[in-house]
Amino acid sequence: TQLLEQSPQFLSIQEGENLTVYCNSSSVFSSLQWYRQEPGEGPVLLVTVVTGGEVKKLKRLTFQFGDARKDSSLHITAAQPGDTGLYLCAGEGGGGSNYKLTFGKGTLLTVNP
Amino acid sequence: NAGVTQTPKFQVLKTGQSMTLQCAQDMNHNSMYWYRQDPGMGLRLIYYSASEGTTDKGEVPNGYNVSRLNKREFSLRLESAAPSQTSVYFCASSVTTAYNEQFFGPGTRLTVL
Repeated sequence: TQLLEQSPQFLSIQEGENLTVYCNSSSVFSSLQWYRQEPGEGPVLLVTVVTGGEVKKLKRLTFQFGDARKDSSLHITAAQPGDTGLYLCAGEGGGGSNYKLTFGKGTLLTVNP
Repeated sequence: NAGVTQTPKFQVLKTGQSMTLQCAQDMNHNSMYWYRQDPGMGLRLIYYSASEGTTDKGEVPNGYNVSRLNKREFSLRLESAAPSQTSVYFCASSVTTAYNEQFFGPGTRLTVL
């Protein structure tokens, strides 16, 4: 069974602070995706990283895929209340079916004004 | 362009009752999925359909059945609801050739009394 461990599980910070969320596994994934879910809604895809060591930026969000394609991180610079939500990482491939994603349990981020 | 739609948005059932959750996508995606989301458990895959005419069990299929009615529609049926099936249910679709990036519906919040 492939597992994705996310840390921290909960994070509450003040507006303007920086933060990093981690997604770790003992399995190798073909690609890794990050989603954000707001209360009462479904997850929305933020980014997909494919190559080991790859770094992608989405405004104030920076995503990195580990060199061995087993882990990933999400760094948010100068967090804003609009960044509040549940951040989920999901791995694709990794020896299993290409039709399924393995999801982590998520990091619930609260950014206080 | 509606994306992925789900009905109903909320439902309350009594133990033993049956119901069908409906899902439709208008993005011409091949693959469709049903997940349940419970506090502290993350997203767990119930069933998926890699292509029209095929369905496969996911991580937690017991107590559920699915039907891939056509390329657009994928329904989830609870034959005899149990309190343990109280959850938020999400339908998703994807183009599996593109890293299986998934697009989620808004969810159905189901309570079984």
